[in-house]
Amino acid sequence: GENVEQHPSTLSVQEGDSAVIKCTYSDSASNYFPWYKQELGKGPQLIIDIRSNVGEKKDQRIAVTLNKTAKHFSLHITETQPEDSAVYFCAASDSGGGADGLTFGKGTHLIIQP
Amino acid sequence: DAGVTQSPTHLIKTRGQQVTLRCSPKSGHDTVSWYQQALGQGPQFIFQYYEEEERQRGNFPDRFSGHQFPNYSSELNVNALLLGDSALYLCASSLSQLHGYTFGSGTRLTVV
Repeated sequence: GENVEQHPSTLSVQEGDSAVIKCTYSDSASNYFPWYKQELGKGPQLIIDIRSNVGEKKDQRIAVTLNKTAKHFSLHITETQPEDSAVYFCAASDSGGGADGLTFGKGTHLIIQP
Repeated sequence: DAGVTQSPTHLIKTRGQQVTLRCSPKSGHDTVSWYQQALGQGPQFIFQYYEEEERQRGNFPDRFSGHQFPNYSSELNVNALLLGDSALYLCASSLSQLHGYTFGSGTRLTVV
């Protein structure tokens, strides 16, 4: 089955700086890669996703890149703000729409220092 | 527009007991998936229901079972509870195969 590794487990950045979280996956059949943000006491919230026919996708301060050859994908957050503090999860699926089971990484606790 | 609703929010059960968790999907969604999230870990896929049938299952024992109703709502049942079943149980809904998940806030299950 699929295995998703996520690094780092904790990331502390100064407010206004950029944050990068990296994930690798093992199953070359995976073709859908979402990122979720989870705040304390809440369920994961989809913040951005990318499919294997695209190398990069941006949404305001958030961007995701995908390298299918290396089986890497990364989340980039620019101009970080205090409300970006949360746990971020990457995930992978072999369903083009992500409606089948997702395999999640173990999460990155992002801390934005004021 | 109501999102995914789960009940109850918290639950304490004794080892060996049975539990039923409930989920109402986001309006317009027809597919419901269940995940288990242990403390400090990412969610793990339990199973998915579509058209009232289990369509896909993760690596969980038969003690975990579910059901989907004609209105697309769903239940997760866990029999013979173990201490290790203590976790946050998340329900996620989606529209068939074309869109990503929307997660609920989960049910925190504690087995003592």
